[in-house]
Amino acid sequence: NAGVTQTPKFQVLKTGQSMTLQCAQDMNHNSMYWYRQDPGMGLRLIYYSASEGTTDKGEVPNGYNVSRLNKREFSLRLESAAPSQTSVYFCASSGLAAPYNEQFFGPGTRLTVL
Amino acid sequence: ILNVEQSPQSLHVQEGDSTNFTCSFPSSNFYALHWYRWETAKSPEALFVMTLNGDEKKKGRISATLNTKEGYSYLYIKGSQPEDSATYLCAFRNTGTASKLTFGTGTRLQVTL
Repeated sequence: NAGVTQTPKFQVLKTGQSMTLQCAQDMNHNSMYWYRQDPGMGLRLIYYSASEGTTDKGEVPNGYNVSRLNKREFSLRLESAAPSQTSVYFCASSGLAAPYNEQFFGPGTRLTVL
Repeated sequence: ILNVEQSPQSLHVQEGDSTNFTCSFPSSNFYALHWYRWETAKSPEALFVMTLNGDEKKKGRISATLNTKEGYSYLYIKGSQPEDSATYLCAFRNTGTASKLTFGTGTRLQVTL
């Protein structure tokens, strides 16, 4: 039982390049989330998926797209990376059985955009 | 955007000290308040979920209280140890936001010998 996994762990991009961050969970959770963490800003929600087949914008969605591929996987895509997207990205999931939607987090992806 | 605030931003205490920090959140449409512990280079891990006004939760030396009417929660650490060093996040969920949580910016605690 791996919980929430993310790939890659580290990535360096040049401005304008694209990439997809992968997230998978094996806890049979309905909901999945993408956050970014910046110094002094805490965790900010980029996009979330309340259930398979649905996605919704969070607080800071500009410059990102997401795909809920199936119940297990939720990917985050940067179409044209910008230096402002340098951050640590965390994926999380929560299930109906978890008390009041306690979220379980992946290990994070540290992204640098030059 | 919901306003969830934590204070202080950072705290430096010595081993054995007891300490507490505050999380403030909107007092209307309350559903749940979460506390997470986040160690450097790791992922946030859930400490408590609190749902009822007056709730008190305890895990070892760490405890939390909840006041939904005035919109605040306190986290207490009794007899701090170096392994308590971490950032403590609170996260608020209201009744209209499905499963979304709004996180505070955290209180960074450093415990030294």
